[in-house]
Amino acid sequence: KAGVTQTPRYLIKTRGQQVTLSCSPISGHRSVSWYQQTPGQGLQFLFEYFSETQRNKGNFPGRFSGRQFSNSRSEMNVSTLELGDSALYLCASSTAGLAGGRSYNEQFFGPGTRLTVL
Amino acid sequence: KNEVEQSPQNLTAQEGEFITINCSYSVGISALHWLQQHPGGGIVSLFMLSSGKKKHGRLIATINIQEKHSSLHITASHPRDSAVYICAQGGSQGNLIFGKGTKLSVKP
Repeated sequence: KAGVTQTPRYLIKTRGQQVTLSCSPISGHRSVSWYQQTPGQGLQFLFEYFSETQRNKGNFPGRFSGRQFSNSRSEMNVSTLELGDSALYLCASSTAGLAGGRSYNEQFFGPGTRLTVL
Repeated sequence: KNEVEQSPQNLTAQEGEFITINCSYSVGISALHWLQQHPGGGIVSLFMLSSGKKKHGRLIATINIQEKHSSLHITASHPRDSAVYICAQGGSQGNLIFGKGTKLSVKP
């Protein structure tokens, strides 16, 4: 079974531009979560999609958005890029579903997209 | 507020040593995850546990629900174990709340 793939792997943008990152989950996984990793803040949760619906969102400004398609592939978009958006963006997929409101699902991570904002 | 704290932040060991990394969390959890991140960024899930102990090869993960504490042990450490180890608390919506990570360097 193929793993989680992310494209592109590396991206350089300038301030004010927008960017779209893509994530293809493991076949059969319906949940995709997005994370931002920076040296200062570490890994932080952006949002999670399940069956094309955003189920949860982290504490990020509205410039960060995402969506999920019917084949479970997901995209995240960052508009009006700032220098501080330079980071490694990771997505993870899981079989998801909630067992009594509590998640026990292992997450499988993609290799990440390294975004540099100049 | 959910907080996940790890210790130590950095750890240097000689090949063959027994290694312990600790993780404390502040609220009740659904699952505690241990992740490994190698230089270059790729993250691999090592363990997901909600009680007791799990073992995979030279890696052992334990959790104490009452004390809100988990440990990751590496027996007979090897230079290829050098990586950042991250514990994460499973949130109620399937998200993860991460610790800052422990950077492990195993010298030959």
